[in-house]
Amino acid sequence: GENVEQHPSTLSVQEGDSAVIKCTYSDSASNYFPWYKQELGKRPQLIIDIRSNVGEKKDQRIAVTLNKTAKHFSLHITETQPEDSAVYFCAASTYKYIFGTGTRLKVLA
Amino acid sequence: NAGVTQTPKFQVLKTGQSMTLQCAQDMNHEYMSWYRQDPGMGLRLIHYSVGAGITDQGEVPNGYNVSRSTTEDFPLRLLSAAPSQTSVYFCASSYSTGGVYNEQFFGPGTRLTVL
Repeated sequence: GENVEQHPSTLSVQEGDSAVIKCTYSDSASNYFPWYKQELGKRPQLIIDIRSNVGEKKDQRIAVTLNKTAKHFSLHITETQPEDSAVYFCAASTYKYIFGTGTRLKVLA
Repeated sequence: NAGVTQTPKFQVLKTGQSMTLQCAQDMNHEYMSWYRQDPGMGLRLIHYSVGAGITDQGEVPNGYNVSRSTTEDFPLRLLSAAPSQTSVYFCASSYSTGGVYNEQFFGPGTRLTVL
């Protein structure tokens, strides 16, 4: 069946450094790739997304890149801040969304 | 708009009991889904629906039933609760644009414990 692999499972960076999280998907029909941030005890919330006809998208300190040939996409966070500390999930979607297992990001002050 | 609402927020069941988790959205979204979230396992899709009267299984459907009689409501039924169903359950909704689904909006979650 469909599968999304996400790496790393935990990531610690110093404040101001960059963080990169990578995902690989199996269903070549996937056409929508969102990234969600989940803080402790709260619901996941969208931070950025990309469609299959776009290779890169940026929103201030956050960017996502997509390589459809290799079936992988990545989240890049620059100039990290303590409030970026959370669990991040990637997902790949056709008519159903399959999520990765999450990355716990810790930004050390 | 209230967005996506879920009830109850917390529930404790005994093994073998049945119950229904409620989910409603007021955004007229055609797509609704249920996930369970366990530590280290991410969000796993239980069931989803692309419109009223249409439902389908996700990654982990066993032990759960759903129905979609209206656009707004998408209840999740546990027929005979088991300790393995202890989890946090999220409902989500979305809409499509040009045949592609968009951002999912999540409800606040239901924390279920089965003893």
